[in-house]
Amino acid sequence: TQLLEQSPQFLSIQEGENLTVYCNSSSVFSSLQWYRQEPGEGPVLLVTVVTGGEVKKLKRLTFQFGDARKDSSLHITAAQPGDTGLYLCAAKNNDMRFGAGTRLTVKP
Amino acid sequence: KAGVTQTPRYLIKTRGQQVTLSCSPISGHRSVSWYQQTPGQGLQFLFEYFSETQRNKGNFPGRFSGRQFSNSRSEMNVSTLELGDSALYLCASSSASGRANGELFFGEGSRLTVL
Repeated sequence: TQLLEQSPQFLSIQEGENLTVYCNSSSVFSSLQWYRQEPGEGPVLLVTVVTGGEVKKLKRLTFQFGDARKDSSLHITAAQPGDTGLYLCAAKNNDMRFGAGTRLTVKP
Repeated sequence: KAGVTQTPRYLIKTRGQQVTLSCSPISGHRSVSWYQQTPGQGLQFLFEYFSETQRNKGNFPGRFSGRQFSNSRSEMNVSTLELGDSALYLCASSSASGRANGELFFGEGSRLTVL
């Protein structure tokens, strides 16, 4: 059983569409991170959310940490082909654990 | 500054062999973590080293081992390779210690194929 459950597993959309991906857990975390991984590369940190209910924006990406600090969402507005990649959420108890990821494809 | 460097980038081994992978962290980072990434299981935590000490270990068999040197460089070793060990092995370094939620900086990985 994954500590962090991500959904959907795969998502294929057209350029310009909006999308939301989710990261859920039964555990409470002091913080949660989102990473993006492109083919042939390692994951790169996008954001860290710390406070329950916190919303952070990174250009067209909006990250939210659930009030109970058990879940998080990533919303992308007007997706572009450059957003294509594997989106991973991660949280730390004793060590950093990752969800299985959402593989996003944005078609031009 | 230079990023995390992993060597080799690609390697092919046969069942029963052993392999050693190397990771040079970002200068000044004392924490190095190793992950196995496969399409079916995603990123699975192997172990974490901090100042030459293994701080945490994931649920992998004893065939998987690692170490960290005084210059923070780390190696991981897999003995008696099995087909299921084929994966991308990622190393990540961090300046954070203990339970701090520091950013992980990943290398590009070592892609191991076991035939």
